[in-house]
Amino acid sequence: GQNIDQPTEMTATEGAIVQINCTYQTSGFNGLFWYQQHAGEAPTFLSYNVLDGLEEKGRFSSFLSRSKGYSYLLLKELQMKDSASYLCAVVDSNYQLIWGAGTKLIIKP
Amino acid sequence: GAVVSQHPSRVICKSGTSVKIECRSLDFQATTMFWYRQFPKQSLMLMATSNEGSKATYEQGVEKDKFLINHASLTLSTLTVTSAHPEDSSFYICSALQGDHHNEQFFGPGTRLTVL
Repeated sequence: GQNIDQPTEMTATEGAIVQINCTYQTSGFNGLFWYQQHAGEAPTFLSYNVLDGLEEKGRFSSFLSRSKGYSYLLLKELQMKDSASYLCAVVDSNYQLIWGAGTKLIIKP
Repeated sequence: GAVVSQHPSRVICKSGTSVKIECRSLDFQATTMFWYRQFPKQSLMLMATSNEGSKATYEQGVEKDKFLINHASLTLSTLTVTSAHPEDSSFYICSALQGDHHNEQFFGPGTRLTVL
């Protein structure tokens, strides 16, 4: 079957750095997304990786290793507004989006 | 980026009534739209894929007679929850594909449905 694993919850301190991991086992691979979702709101796009390596975008970076079926989202200089759920999603060989359960990130002052 | 709207943003209805939710792509044409449902503290669950001018493709376990999807134009898809019951209370989110690739998928703001 298809499976995406990410931690259920993480806690970090304002101003610090946090890494949210995502491992996947899917039938084929055509890209991996990270989305941010605040409570009661729709997801918002953060990043898209289809090639191995690190993509940096401001305070957020996303890394992909296709051979390991692994990605991480790195958040730097954490702010209170970064408290949200972070969803990892993979596009499989049929171009279907397979969603992880999401990681709830709690930022403490 | 492209904008997708949903209406209404919030709806409360009595059990047994039907509720229609609209999803519009405001500044682009979307041949494909997706409908998701999300229960509290859970991830998005794809309900169906809606293609303009054809019948929607429903995911396993989703009742197509209960969740009616109409994609009548390139900018509008509707989801009608028929004979709603309290267990249908959820957050319904649509998304639209601007191009052929999932990296051009844009989400609507979601509709909170509460069935009393």
